[in-house]
Amino acid sequence: EAGVTQSPTHLIKTRGQQATLRCSPISGHTSVYWYQQALGLGLQFLLWYDEGEERNRGNFPPRFSGRQFPNYSSELNVNALELEDSALYLCASSLEYGTGTYEQYFGPGTRLTVT
Amino acid sequence: AQSVAQPEDQVNVAEGNPLTVKCTYSVSGNPYLFWYVQYPNRGLQFLLKYITGDNLVKGSYGFEAEFNKSQTSFHLKKPSALVSDSALYFCAVSSRGGGSYIPTFGRGTSLIVHP
Repeated sequence: EAGVTQSPTHLIKTRGQQATLRCSPISGHTSVYWYQQALGLGLQFLLWYDEGEERNRGNFPPRFSGRQFPNYSSELNVNALELEDSALYLCASSLEYGTGTYEQYFGPGTRLTVT
Repeated sequence: AQSVAQPEDQVNVAEGNPLTVKCTYSVSGNPYLFWYVQYPNRGLQFLLKYITGDNLVKGSYGFEAEFNKSQTSFHLKKPSALVSDSALYFCAVSSRGGGSYIPTFGRGTSLIVHP
């Protein structure tokens, strides 16, 4: 069974540009989560999508947005990139919906570097 | 609000010795607790979880964790460490009934196993 996949592996952008990151969940998983992992800060929750809807978002500005497609894949868009957006962006999928009891399965991440 | 503390940024242990990676949590309602491991340049991998029942939970690769409600702790343990266990370990908590079913992650503990 294929795991969570993310593309691209690395992305280099300049300040002010837009970045698009993509994620495909494990087959059968409808929930997709996005996290930012910046050095020394652990995982910061960005967004949660389920059944095509945004269910929750973390404490990030509106220039972080995304969507989930009918096949449950997802993309994360970051507009007006800032230097501090440089981080590893992780996507995870799960069977979760509102119980808190399901583990998440993570992709390998996209390393975004903003220069 | 819910939170997780991993009080040690780094744990050093000799191969063959027992290891413990500490985690304490704060949450309203019943906690759901998870441990994940992250190898270099990889996403997180699920190790084990506590939802309910027996306080001692066994997981992948010989790891186990003990839920202690009175001390609000969920320490990760392994009887005999391997060099290949060297990685970054994350504890996470979610909850229902006052907390959030979206997991909150700790900042991670780097485990280094010396040959």
